[in-house]
Amino acid sequence: EAEVAQSPRYKITEKSQAVAFWCDPISGHATLYWYRQILGQGPELLVQFQDESVVDDSQLPKDRFSAERLKGVDSTLKIQPAELGDSAMYLCASSWPGQTGETQYFGPGTRLLVL
Amino acid sequence: SQELEQSPQSLIVQEGKNLTINCTSSKTLYGLYWYKQKYGEGLIFLMMLQKGGEEKSHEKITAKLDEKKQQSSLHITASQPSHAGIYLCGAAYYNQGGKLIFGQGTELSVKP
Repeated sequence: EAEVAQSPRYKITEKSQAVAFWCDPISGHATLYWYRQILGQGPELLVQFQDESVVDDSQLPKDRFSAERLKGVDSTLKIQPAELGDSAMYLCASSWPGQTGETQYFGPGTRLLVL
Repeated sequence: SQELEQSPQSLIVQEGKNLTINCTSSKTLYGLYWYKQKYGEGLIFLMMLQKGGEEKSHEKITAKLDEKKQQSSLHITASQPSHAGIYLCGAAYYNQGGKLIFGQGTELSVKP
């Protein structure tokens, strides 16, 4: 069964350090999403890609966060510098072309702890 | 998100009992997704509802969307310990691309 892959699963870092997360979507899924989930809350969209293009990054803190999907397949989310408030679960999801109504399939997530 | 309210926040039931989780939107939905999440893991897709009045079932879980497409409920019949976890509703709205707005989740515990 095809799955969304994410790595690492867990990351502990100190504030002001740089961190990077990787996501490999289900093969053939053109749309890729990065969500952030704070403990006890639902996920919130950070950035949405359609192939290699950013479709929505309105909630991405662009002073410290960046995301890329250079070849339209896998994607990297970076935080530099990390802050204490960035501690959360970072979830990647993918779907067929992002027409409203396409089911999003999620990866296992990367749990980030900033000390 | 205030656009989407989920209730209750947490639920503890005895094994074998039925339960219902509700999800209410402040505006008309294009579609409503239900996911389950084990603590510290990713979201597992359960069901998607799109038509007013639609009802879908999978094993002992039934989800419904009201006629006005602003409320959905998830009902579990004869709960089992394997049903424990966090249930999240995710809303797709018109003209918002593919992104989902999630409720805050319902944490379900099933006592043997």
